Amino acid sequence: EAQVTQNPRYLITVTGKKLTVTCSQNMNHEYMSWYRQDPGLGLRQIYYSMNVEVTDKGDVPEGYKVSRKEKRNFPLILESPSPNQTSLYFCASNRQGPRDTQYFGPGTRLTVL
Amino acid sequence: AQSVTQLGSHVSVSEGALVLLRCNYSSSVPPYLFWYVQYPNQGLQLLLKYTSAATLVKGINGFEAEFKKSETSFHLTKPSAHMSDAAEYFCAVSEGSGGYQKVTFGIGTKLQVIP
Repeated sequence: EAQVTQNPRYLITVTGKKLTVTCSQNMNHEYMSWYRQDPGLGLRQIYYSMNVEVTDKGDVPEGYKVSRKEKRNFPLILESPSPNQTSLYFCASNRQGPRDTQYFGPGTRLTVL
Repeated sequence: AQSVTQLGSHVSVSEGALVLLRCNYSSSVPPYLFWYVQYPNQGLQLLLKYTSAATLVKGINGFEAEFKKSETSFHLTKPSAHMSDAAEYFCAVSEGSGGYQKVTFGIGTKLQVIP
């Protein structure tokens, strides 16, 4: 089954404790993106990647890191989480670029205390 | 810079009534436009998209949208609402080339369907 998976689905952590949210797709898509969803703000792009070892900032990259060492994986790293990073995070992938449909993972709900 | 405006963060319709969700965009280049739907506790899934072909786009579940360049609009409609249409709907504009891809979403519209 074609899908985007994220782990964990739910995470409660404390300020400053490094964490990684994994994202994996099995569709051989070139592009992958991370978004955060907050009430009243919609989805905002954090980072995206067009291929292995190629990443670029979205609208709200501060406090986040990403890496793309393999085509299928695109982990999101919070090196020192803060309470304002409490949010619902989505990973997405698409095949060829801006005209292509994005396929979204199920989301990761992160709470930083 | 591109942007998306969704008028009405909450919309209520009666079952069987017309659904109209509004989306206006701004973009410096011809845009690609999308409507996504999010059901509770799920990720987003595509309803329909405009990629510079026909201006009237038909999607899944009876939804359609019309791209109107003069009005910079891409409103989503469905002739008759069903209870299963209750969800949150996001309009998005995407642009880019040569590896650059910027996607901007609206704030979302929660659709309530009243029996």
